[in-house]
Amino acid sequence: QKEVEQDPGPLSVPEGAIVSLNCTYSNSAFQYFMWYRQYSRKGPELLMYTYSSGNKEDGRFTAQVDKSSKYISLFIRDSQPSDSATYLCAMTLYNQGGKLIFGQGTELSVKP
Amino acid sequence: NAGVTQTPKFQVLKTGQSMTLQCAQDMNHEYMSWYRQDPGMGLRLIHYSVGAGITDQGEVPNGYNVSRSTTEDFPLRLLSAAPSQTSVYFCASSYSGLAEAFFGQGTRLTVV
Repeated sequence: QKEVEQDPGPLSVPEGAIVSLNCTYSNSAFQYFMWYRQYSRKGPELLMYTYSSGNKEDGRFTAQVDKSSKYISLFIRDSQPSDSATYLCAMTLYNQGGKLIFGQGTELSVKP
Repeated sequence: NAGVTQTPKFQVLKTGQSMTLQCAQDMNHEYMSWYRQDPGMGLRLIHYSVGAGITDQGEVPNGYNVSRSTTEDFPLRLLSAAPSQTSVYFCASSYSGLAEAFFGQGTRLTVV
């Protein structure tokens, strides 16, 4: 079993929908949680970064962490066709910085 | 500002051949790492470095070598290519272990 599990999708939604992307993890020592966005044939780009349980908002994006359930989510409000990409959750330990553990990635398509 | 530059972008190798994937960053980042991305597997860490002269293994190091003689460069060597090494390879760098990781555009490698 992978340390980080993510539903690979693909996920297809209409423009304007609210999107929920989720990851579960098994190592309770993970302390830093990230969401990366990857467009086709490009490298991943950091979207959100958080290290505490609770919600963190940035524009249309909200990252949620529940350490007690070992579950993280990314919500996208008012989704746009330009949000069509693969979304990867990633996490790391405090004393192993630079070693990111990624989920499998969820492919999202937002239809106009 | 170039960021993280990977060369080549595409490569086809025959089984048993060796080659070096190049990675250079111009952001004076101490942390550099190599990942491979395969369908349904997300990104998996091959090797990483926390500074010049210091390297360590990641999740899938077998068949790959690295060295870090300068802050800017972190080449990945395939010693004897195998079809199982067909993948997309990403190099990343970050200012610290817990800072945002910047990724290159990837090298698509096919081993026949």
